[in-house]
Amino acid sequence: GDSVTQMEGPVTLSEEAFLTINCTYTATGYPSLFWYVQYPGEGLQLLLKATKADDKGSNKGFEATYRKETTSFHLEKGSVQVSDSAVYFCARDTNTGNQFYFGTGTSLTVIP
Amino acid sequence: NAGVTQTPKFRVLKTGQSMTLLCAQDMNHEYMYWYRQDPGMGLRLIHYSVGEGTTAKGEVPDGYNVSRLKKQNFLLGLESAAPSQTSVYFCASSFVIATGELFFGEGSRLTVL
Repeated sequence: GDSVTQMEGPVTLSEEAFLTINCTYTATGYPSLFWYVQYPGEGLQLLLKATKADDKGSNKGFEATYRKETTSFHLEKGSVQVSDSAVYFCARDTNTGNQFYFGTGTSLTVIP
Repeated sequence: NAGVTQTPKFRVLKTGQSMTLLCAQDMNHEYMYWYRQDPGMGLRLIHYSVGEGTTAKGEVPDGYNVSRLKKQNFLLGLESAAPSQTSVYFCASSFVIATGELFFGEGSRLTVL
């Protein structure tokens, strides 16, 4: 069925390291793809999105490219900061556009 | 700017008790959602609403009921709580779903003993 799979954590990186969090999806059709971030004690908030193949979403130094051929939407950042410590969720919408499927979340801890 | 507000933030129940979680949004959003978040499971959709007076089932609706009598409020009810319903519950809303931006509340942590 339709779903989102993202790499399991937790991930621990040193400050200024390169970050990649993998995300793949299955879908009938071409969903929009999203990354949400959840900081400790807060609800999720949208980090970036891409609505069609080859689109690149970007925000706060994070980037992800919608790859139709590999059904992937990997999140990257060139130099992480301590303030990036959070849980990251990959998500996709449905053909009807009124529901979302979320991945299981990847916890990132950045140490000074 | 209140955004999406959930009450209560924390609650402990005994098995078999009932309770209602309230979600209120002040952004005039049409769509509202209730999710539960469990370790290793991510977010799973319980119920959602595409407008005042409408509700629909999500992935895991059993044991829950919802109501959307007013556009700004979306209530999640547990009629007879079970330990399996111990979770963190998140409400979310969206004006136009195609933008993909869900606005989330801060969550409600429910423990059922």
